[in-house]
Amino acid sequence: GDSVTQMEGPVTLSEEAFLTINCTYTATGYPSLFWYVQYPGEGLQLLLKATKADDKGSNKGFEATYRKETTSFHLEKGSVQVSDSAVYFCALYMDSNYQLIWGAGTKLIIKP
Amino acid sequence: DAGVIQSPRHEVTEMGQEVTLRCKPISGHNSLFWYRQTMMRGLELLIYFNNNVPIDDSGMPEDRFSAKMPNASFSTLKIQPSEPRDSAVYFCASSYRPPNYNEQFFGPGTRLTVL
Repeated sequence: GDSVTQMEGPVTLSEEAFLTINCTYTATGYPSLFWYVQYPGEGLQLLLKATKADDKGSNKGFEATYRKETTSFHLEKGSVQVSDSAVYFCALYMDSNYQLIWGAGTKLIIKP
Repeated sequence: DAGVIQSPRHEVTEMGQEVTLRCKPISGHNSLFWYRQTMMRGLELLIYFNNNVPIDDSGMPEDRFSAKMPNASFSTLKIQPSEPRDSAVYFCASSYRPPNYNEQFFGPGTRLTVL
């Protein structure tokens, strides 16, 4: 079945470091791909999305490119801030299904 | 828009008690999801409603769990009787079917502790 695999956390970086959180997926068709972020004590919120191959989603300095050839959707940011500390979830959605398929989440800790 | 509203935000109860969690989805959204989040299992989908009708409840852990959606603006998740292993954060999320059906809006969650 469809699935999403994320790199395990926690990922600990210093402020202004470059961030990559890996996400790969398995799907029988052509899914839409998402990154959601969960700040401490809050619900998840959509960070960015891409609906077809080679699309790049971006928001708040974060970017992710839908790579069909490698079935990946890695999250990147050039210079992280302490306020980026959160749990990041990769997810996919198929039109043939009604629900998002979630990765396990990656906790990001940014130290000043 | 107020976003998805959940109540209570925190609930502490004793084993065997009934617990009712409440959710008000975003106005105009016609799909509603209940999730459970724990350290061990991560984020699990419990049940999904579309137009107030339960479509898939295969994620509901057992008969102690039940969910209702009597109208488009209200849903409940009930646990009776509660057990310590039910301790988790429960999220409600809503979405609107096409064109942005695949974007779910989450509430702040209810942190449930069963002693």
